[in-house]
Amino acid sequence: NAGVMQNPRHLVRRRGQEARLRCSPMKGHSHVYWYRQLPEEGLKFMVYLQKENIIDESGMPKERFSAEFPKEGPSILRIQQVVRGDSAAYFCASSPRGSDYNEQFFGPGTRLTVL
Amino acid sequence: GIQVEQSPPDLILQEGANSTLRCNFSDSVNNLQWFHQNPWGQLINLFYIPSGTKQNGRLSATTVATERYSLLYISSSQTTDSGVYFCAVLSGGSYIPTFGRGTSLIVHP
Repeated sequence: NAGVMQNPRHLVRRRGQEARLRCSPMKGHSHVYWYRQLPEEGLKFMVYLQKENIIDESGMPKERFSAEFPKEGPSILRIQQVVRGDSAAYFCASSPRGSDYNEQFFGPGTRLTVL
Repeated sequence: GIQVEQSPPDLILQEGANSTLRCNFSDSVNNLQWFHQNPWGQLINLFYIPSGTKQNGRLSATTVATERYSLLYISSSQTTDSGVYFCAVLSGGSYIPTFGRGTSLIVHP
C-alpha cells in the first residue's frame, strides 16, 4: 500500500516564476492537508481539501497561492510569481476522513528554493 | 485556540541512553499524534494516541488526556533516533491539527 506521494521532491524556481507542487494521497484517502515548514520551525497549516472542494484555506496567503484537489488526479498547490520568502518545505498529509478522530499520514515533502 | 508546548526544546544523548519527551496541551483533545522528522526532513508517524499507552519496539507513548499531557519514551537510543519529534493535537471539533514546536534530539555514537 503506497504511502502519500509528493513530487517533485526538490524544486528550484527564479523569482517571478510559478511553482506547482503535487500530492497523491494514500489509497482510500479522500482528504488532503497542505503544510509549510520554514527552516528550523514547525509545520504551519495552509489548506484542507476534499475531492473537488476546498474546506478550509485559512492558513494560505490570500494572494499568489491556490490549491485544488480534482475528482481525478493529485492535489495541486500552486504558487504564482514566487518570491524568496516562499522558499520552504511543503508537506501534504492525507486522512481517510476529515473528522477530528482521524490519523494523518505525511508525504516526503517538496523543498522549494527560490533564487 | 489550543496551545501545545513541547519540552525539552533540545536534547543531546549518548547512544544507549533513555529519554522522555513531553507534550502539554491547554484543552481537551480528540486526537494526538507523535511524529519523528528525520535529518532528511521526512515526517514519520510514530503514534496515534489520544489516550492510553502504546508501545512500538524501543518507543512507547502515554497520553493522560484528563491531565492534558502526553509523553514519548525512547529507550536504548540509537543514532538513527536523531531528528525532531513533534506532537500534534486536534480538539474541539476542529480538523486542523495544532503542532508543537518540537524537541530536537541528537544521539551521539
